[in-house]
Amino acid sequence: KAGVTQTPRYLIKTRGQQVTLSCSPISGHRSVSWYQQTPGQGLQFLFEYFSETQRNKGNFPGRFSGRQFSNSRSEMNVSTLELGDSALYLCASSLESGSGANVLTFGAGSRLTVL
Amino acid sequence: AQSVAQPEDQVNVAEGNPLTVKCTYSVSGNPYLFWYVQYPNRGLQFLLKYITGDNLVKGSYGFEAEFNKSQTSFHLKKPSALVSDSALYFCAVREGHDYKLSFGAGTTVTVRA
Repeated sequence: KAGVTQTPRYLIKTRGQQVTLSCSPISGHRSVSWYQQTPGQGLQFLFEYFSETQRNKGNFPGRFSGRQFSNSRSEMNVSTLELGDSALYLCASSLESGSGANVLTFGAGSRLTVL
Repeated sequence: AQSVAQPEDQVNVAEGNPLTVKCTYSVSGNPYLFWYVQYPNRGLQFLLKYITGDNLVKGSYGFEAEFNKSQTSFHLKKPSALVSDSALYFCAVREGHDYKLSFGAGTTVTVRA
């Protein structure tokens, strides 16, 4: 069973550019969450999608956006990149049981460096 | 609002000794608690979770965690640490039907041979 796949694994951008990151969840998982990981701020929740609907959003500026497709694959986009956006972006998928006990399965992440 | 605290940035132990990584949580309702581990340049791997019932939860790789409601703690333990347990450990909490999983700052565990 394939795990959560994130692409690209590494990328370098310059300030002002935009970036799109992709996440393919485990087959059958309909919930996809995104997290930003930095040394200073740790793991910060970005947003969560289920059945193409954003159900929850973290405290990030509007430059951060995402979407989910009908096949549960998800993308996140960061526009007008800033140096502080350099981070490891992690995607996680889970089954939807509605109990709150869902286990997130994480991908290996996309390492973004903004110069 | 839900939150998690990991009071120790680093834990150092000798191989073969017991390992404990501390975690306290804050929620207004019933918590769902998780432990994850992260190795360098990798995503997070699930170790164990507490939902309800027995306060001692057993997980992967010989790890276990004890839920203490009165102290709002969920400490991760391993009776005999291995060098390969050296990694970054995260405690996380989800409250009820909240879709967001909130993570602690992480604790770096170093097990010396």
